[in-house]
Amino acid sequence: AQTVTQSQPEMSVQEAETVTLSCTYDTSENNYYLFWYKQPPSRQMILVIRQEAYKQQNATENRFSVNFQKAAKSFSLKISDSQLGDTAMYFCAFMLSNDYKLSFGAGTTVTVRA
Amino acid sequence: NAGVMQNPRHLVRRRGQEARLRCSPMKGHSHVYWYRQLPEEGLKFMVYLQKENIIDESGMPKERFSAEFPKEGPSILRIQQVVRGDSAAYFCASSPRTDLNTGELFFGEGSRLTVL
Repeated sequence: AQTVTQSQPEMSVQEAETVTLSCTYDTSENNYYLFWYKQPPSRQMILVIRQEAYKQQNATENRFSVNFQKAAKSFSLKISDSQLGDTAMYFCAFMLSNDYKLSFGAGTTVTVRA
Repeated sequence: NAGVMQNPRHLVRRRGQEARLRCSPMKGHSHVYWYRQLPEEGLKFMVYLQKENIIDESGMPKERFSAEFPKEGPSILRIQQVVRGDSAAYFCASSPRTDLNTGELFFGEGSRLTVL
């Protein structure tokens, strides 16, 4: 079974600054996907960014970027130029490429301060 | 293209009653997944269905929980004789055919069940 660990329960960041969320995972497989999902107070699950394990290049979506270190099994999320609307719970998730089940971490609550 | 639609958004039940949660996948998606989120936790896989078939129910409690995805109509997650520990947010997700699998699931807004 795959496990996903998010070691930071809460993070606080000043508006316009940068925050980095950590995520590590455990798998013996070589082909998989990694995701960051955002869950705002509305509780909807919103996909922020996705990374395929076979790609060495780190994924980027506007102000969101990842640092994917496959050997270290690490997948951190960087939020640049933080905005108040970024306040949410952020979940790291893992899926094997031949599977359909997502394994989620416990989440990190991010609060952006004005 | 409408997203994944779940209803009700909020449901309150007393212990012993039944809860029915509905999910209509995105147009063109034939695969439906149910996840449960307990308070302060990440989502946990419950069941994976295709039309008229349960493909994987390894995450479903063995008793009181059932799921279906009929040929016509939405997928239904049914919880009989609810207990307080069933209080959670239940999320439905959908995806297109698996041979087009990109690993991405599209989530609904969730149904929050409160058991009094």
